[in-house]
Amino acid sequence: QSALTQPASVSGSPGQSITISCTGISSDAGTYKLVSWYQHHPGKAPRLMIYEVSKRPSGVSNRFSGSQSGNTASLTISGLQAEDEAHYYCCSNARSSTPHVVFGGGTKLTVL
Amino acid sequence: QVQLVESGGGVVQPGMSLRLSCAASEFTFSSYGMHWVRQAPGKGLEWVAVISYDGSNKYYADSVKGRFTISRDNSKNTLYLQMISLRAEDTAMYYCAKDLWIQQLLSPHFDYWGQGTLVTVSS
Repeated sequence: QSALTQPASVSGSPGQSITISCTGISSDAGTYKLVSWYQHHPGKAPRLMIYEVSKRPSGVSNRFSGSQSGNTASLTISGLQAEDEAHYYCCSNARSSTPHVVFGGGTKLTVL
Repeated sequence: QVQLVESGGGVVQPGMSLRLSCAASEFTFSSYGMHWVRQAPGKGLEWVAVISYDGSNKYYADSVKGRFTISRDNSKNTLYLQMISLRAEDTAMYYCAKDLWIQQLLSPHFDYWGQGTLVTVSS
């Protein structure tokens, strides 16, 4: 089962913006907006930040935004804050012999 | 507030079995698909399995197919993961997660997660 490809790490200073890419989104998943993003702090449960490519759940700051172009989805965080430092994972469906869900390898965001 | 509480983790020897549970509360459990996701030490998240809201459909990652079985008891609001023939590479924190949308299957949108239960496979 192929994984989605994310950069291993990104960094930015407080107040700056960063973008995390996620390559390998299938055409079907793209068509039906089956892409989500999760924030994961060590020792805590993962948190849904973006669903259906670009929608934010209630309670998630509007500093977080999602988009997609072709087979690549992106998560942008603007106005970086110290508490944004975490691992971020994209997630989608993937074609295979049997249907399944797949996560990207994860990106460690460091706020400098 | 939606709660998902995993239990059943522990230290087991290779080849042995273990059953994980996930107790759900404060939502209509029988209306939502449920997933298991794991994270091995120092690694990323890995999707493990999904079960439909009524238990009629189940799908697994290739890495666990034939060894793990997902099930649910809607009368007890509980999700299960039966794991047999455990391997060292199954060592991970196991999370249960709830689908965002009602009666969906294989949606990648998980709006609530438990805190996880740790499974260690070691001789």
